[in-house]
Amino acid sequence: NAGVTQTPKFRILKIGQSMTLQCTQDMNHNYMYWYRQDPGMGLKLIYYSVGAGITDKGEVPNGYNVSRSTTEDFPLRLELAAPSQTSVYFCASSGELNTEAFFGQGTRLTVV
Amino acid sequence: DAKTTQPPSMDCAEGRAANLPCNHSTISGNEYVYWYRQIHSQGPQYIIHGLKNNETNEMASLIITEDRKSSTLILPHATLRDTAVYYCIVRVATGSNYKLTFGKGTLLTVNP
Repeated sequence: NAGVTQTPKFRILKIGQSMTLQCTQDMNHNYMYWYRQDPGMGLKLIYYSVGAGITDKGEVPNGYNVSRSTTEDFPLRLELAAPSQTSVYFCASSGELNTEAFFGQGTRLTVV
Repeated sequence: DAKTTQPPSMDCAEGRAANLPCNHSTISGNEYVYWYRQIHSQGPQYIIHGLKNNETNEMASLIITEDRKSSTLILPHATLRDTAVYYCIVRVATGSNYKLTFGKGTLLTVNP
């Protein structure tokens, strides 16, 4: 089982550029999440989804967009990259509400 | 989701039991207590969860007080590889609130 796969693992962006962080899971999970983690800090929820076609904002959604066209994929889009978006991004999925969430290994993004 | 309070850091000697406390005084009757840990910069890893009763698995034990306002995660024989940030999360099991929100956690350092 691949679990939750994130690509790319590392990326350097220039200010104003855009990119999509990919997240895919092969466990047929309904719930998916995007988090960011700044150095020395905890995880902040950006967006989450309960299934294909349904997304909702988390704690820090500004500057990001998501879509959920399939159960497997939950891409995170940065339209105009800013230095404040330099962070490690984690994607996670879970099957039902009272079960464990599985996390990807993260995407380390630097905006210069 | 109910808020949680954890000490920012704790130390433990290798081979001894590590007892990590968590206060969740505003927990609702249908909210579960979850524990995750994050080793260095990896994605968080699920440890254990429970509702009312104490729980045990191959990794740890979870002790929830009778009033459910606090809990303790117990690592029975801590090893150096258990050094990590441990997150206590409370989360509703039903309904439309399916966010999974992390606090700042406790940095557990296991010393030789």
